Formats: sequence, structure tokens, C-alpha cells
Amino acid sequence: QLQLQESGSGLVKPSQTLSLTCAVSGGSIAGGGYSWSWIRQPPGKGLEWIGFIYQRGTTYYNPSLKSRVTISADRSKNQLSLRLTSVAAADTAVYFCARVDLEMGRAFDLWGHGTMVTVSS
Amino acid sequence: QSVLNQPPSASGTPGQRVTISCSGSSSNIGSNSVKWYQQFPGTAPKLVIYSDNQRPSGVPDRFSGSKSGTSASLAISGLQSEDEGDFYCEAWDDSLSGCVFGTGTRVTVL
Repeated sequence: QLQLQESGSGLVKPSQTLSLTCAVSGGSIAGGGYSWSWIRQPPGKGLEWIGFIYQRGTTYYNPSLKSRVTISADRSKNQLSLRLTSVAAADTAVYFCARVDLEMGRAFDLWGHGTMVTVSS
Repeated sequence: QSVLNQPPSASGTPGQRVTISCSGSSSNIGSNSVKWYQQFPGTAPKLVIYSDNQRPSGVPDRFSGSKSGTSASLAISGLQSEDEGDFYCEAWDDSLSGCVFGTGTRVTVL
């Protein structure tokens, strides 16, 4: 059964770069019919979509984050990565990676447990 | 900056039917499929409805979705205590070229 596990720096200083990885086990990120995404949730608040990466490497980003975010996929390591530059306190959130089922209308059908990132000096 | 509006809360007694609305626009709900997610405190969201009204395998048939124009709804019939949690709608927005989530609704079983 496919599982996703986020990891990375839990504490990032303001203006620095947030880096997270999402290890995928039980299946390949290159499997057909799926893409991958990052979503975040500030403490006590709602969900915010960060971006997608499709099988051919095409990416779509939230316009509000586009200038600061990069999502990539490493097929050899079977993992996804998220980079967010110039972070501020507003970037403090739980960050989730999720599988996107294209046949389900781009539904986020599998999620990782999430990893908390705090931006603070 | 949520562009899909949901009521902040909804409640019902066990066995009742609860409905949650999700209001959008022609660029999102009006032209793309709606998904619904259930989230318990401290856990990741779980998909309960996709393509407006389809249930993934394992989701009870007490959950149903519908859509009309630029609004969508999630109904929970035969409400149970384990249904308590936060619910979010979501759709692709053609104007933003991105996904948008609803503001979220907390369902409480009285």
C-alpha cells in the first residue's frame, strides 16, 4: 500500500529557505494516472494548496506563492521535494504531500501525515 | 485566500441529516469537479467525495455530494459521533490556474 512520509527542517529562520521531502513507499511516483502535490495548513486555519507536479515534470503553483516555491520529483529516490524561499512567520504551517488522482478529477486521494514547520528566529 | 465559501459550523443529533454548502463561481465550481475532504484534529485530510458526487472505496454511503451551478453541497445522513470533524470542499479554478479550498466547516454531533 502506497505511503507518503514528509520530512525536513522543523524550524526555519525568517528570510531563509524551507526545504522538505516526501518519501513515497509501496509504489512508484512514476506510476501512471497520478501526479503529486504539496498542501499546507497554518495552525488553527484552513488548507492552502501550494502546487502540483505532473509526470512529465510540468508544475503548477499557487499564484500567491509562485515567486518563492519550487516543487521537484526525484524518480531515482522515489521522492518529492518542496523549496520555499524567503520565508516569514506566515509560512508557519503543517505541510502535507499528497497524491493526485487524475481520473478522480485531480482529487487528493492519499496524504502524508504532515510535518510541522515553524518560522522563527 | 479561500475563494470557496462554507459555513463555519454545522451540527446535528445522532441519526439526523446535516448538509454543508460550498459557494464558488463560474471559474471553479461552475466549470470543474468538486471534491470534499474530512479532517480530524491532528490528522491529514481524507477524501470523502470526488467528481461532485462519487464516493471513494470505503467511504460510507451516508456521505453524498451534489452540485448545482456555482454551488456544491455535502450531506451526511444518519449522523454518527465519529462524523465529527472539519470538512473542506475543493475545486480547480480556471482563472487562477490552481486549486482552491473552501473555508472549512466544523461538524459537531450534539
